[in-house]
Formats: sequence, structure tokens, C-alpha cells
Amino acid sequence: AQTVTQSQPEMSVQEAETVTLSCTYDTSENNYYLFWYKQPPSRQMILVIRQEAYKQQNATENRFSVNFQKAAKSFSLKISDSQLGDTAMYFCALTGTASKLTFGTGTRLQVTL
Amino acid sequence: GAGVSQSPSNKVTEKGKDVELRCDPISGHTALYWYRQRLGQGLEFLIYFQGNSAPDKSGLPSDRFSAERTGESVSTLTIQRTQQEDSAVYLCASSSDYLRTDTQYFGPGTRLTVL
Repeated sequence: AQTVTQSQPEMSVQEAETVTLSCTYDTSENNYYLFWYKQPPSRQMILVIRQEAYKQQNATENRFSVNFQKAAKSFSLKISDSQLGDTAMYFCALTGTASKLTFGTGTRLQVTL
Repeated sequence: GAGVSQSPSNKVTEKGKDVELRCDPISGHTALYWYRQRLGQGLEFLIYFQGNSAPDKSGLPSDRFSAERTGESVSTLTIQRTQQEDSAVYLCASSSDYLRTDTQYFGPGTRLTVL
């Protein structure tokens, strides 16, 4: 079975600062993919970033980057230059050959002035 | 070019009634997923459709839950004899599934409240 753990229920960061959200996972598969999704109050799940496990290079998307530590089964998300619009729930998720996503319980991020 | 759409946006029903939730995937996406999100929690997988293959129903919590999909288009999730514990947001996602791990794109969800 696959599991995803997010140990930070809530985080707060000031606008323009950097914040890191933690995620650890467990899977017995060798080929898998990791995702961070953002869920604002509108409920819409929005893909933030995606990482293929076979790639050593950490994925980046503009202000968002990950620190993927395969041996440690860790997949943290770094948000640089935080903006008020980044306020949302952030979910870490994992998928393998079964296609379905396994989600963590989420981290609520509040960006303040 | 529209995204995944779901209807209704909100549904309030009485305990014991049946409900149907609808999902329209992105055009051309062969894979469709249903997830449930209870208040303050992450998403739980319910069911997965891929083309004409038999669906993966391993996440359905009871036989009161069922889902259908017509070809590679609309899907309907049906909950019979609703219970208060069924109250949640039900999210649908689709992917092109050219690769089995293609990105899933989500709809806005249906918030179900069972009184």
C-alpha cells in the first residue's frame, strides 16, 4: 500500500518570503510520480508541480520547486517570493502503476502581509 | 478547451434518499477518476475508469456507491440510501492516460450534505 504523510497541518509565511512544506511517502514501487496540488477556497484542485521518481533533477515551476530525496522518501515543496494568492491548502500526492492518486492530509498555508 | 465540469455544485438531501452526481471530463481524456474529500481531510480514491476496460472499484466504501461512464465521456456517481457519513465533497478528475501516470485534472467538486 502507498502512504503519504504531511506533518504540518498549518503554516504561515509573510508575503515575499520563502516557505517549505514537507511531505514524506512510502511505496514499494520503483516507478512512481509525485505531485503537489493546491486547493484554494474555491475547492478547485490545481496542479502545482510534478516529479518523476526516475529523474534525479528536482522539478521547478517558476516560484515553486521541490526537494526530492528518493532514498529518504521525502518530497518537500518550496515556495519562493510568496504571494497572497498562494494562500490555500496544499496536498502532496503519489501515484504508481495503479494510476489512482494517494493524497496526504494537506497543509493549510496562510500568506500574510 | 473547457476543464472538467461537475454538477450540481451543491446538493442537500435527506438521509435515505438516492443522489446522482455528474462529471464531464476534458474532451479526449480517456481516464476518469472519482475521489471523496471529507471535511478537513485529504482525498480518498473511489473509482477509476480507463477507456473500455473494467473500472477499478477498489475504493468504493460500500455497495451503496456505484458509478457508470458512457464511453469516454460523462460519468455519474450514484449513492443510494444516503447516510450522514456520506456528507463530503466529491471530486472528479480526468487524464489523457497516454501514460498511466499522466497528470489528473480536477473539477470543482460537488458538495454533498446529508441531513
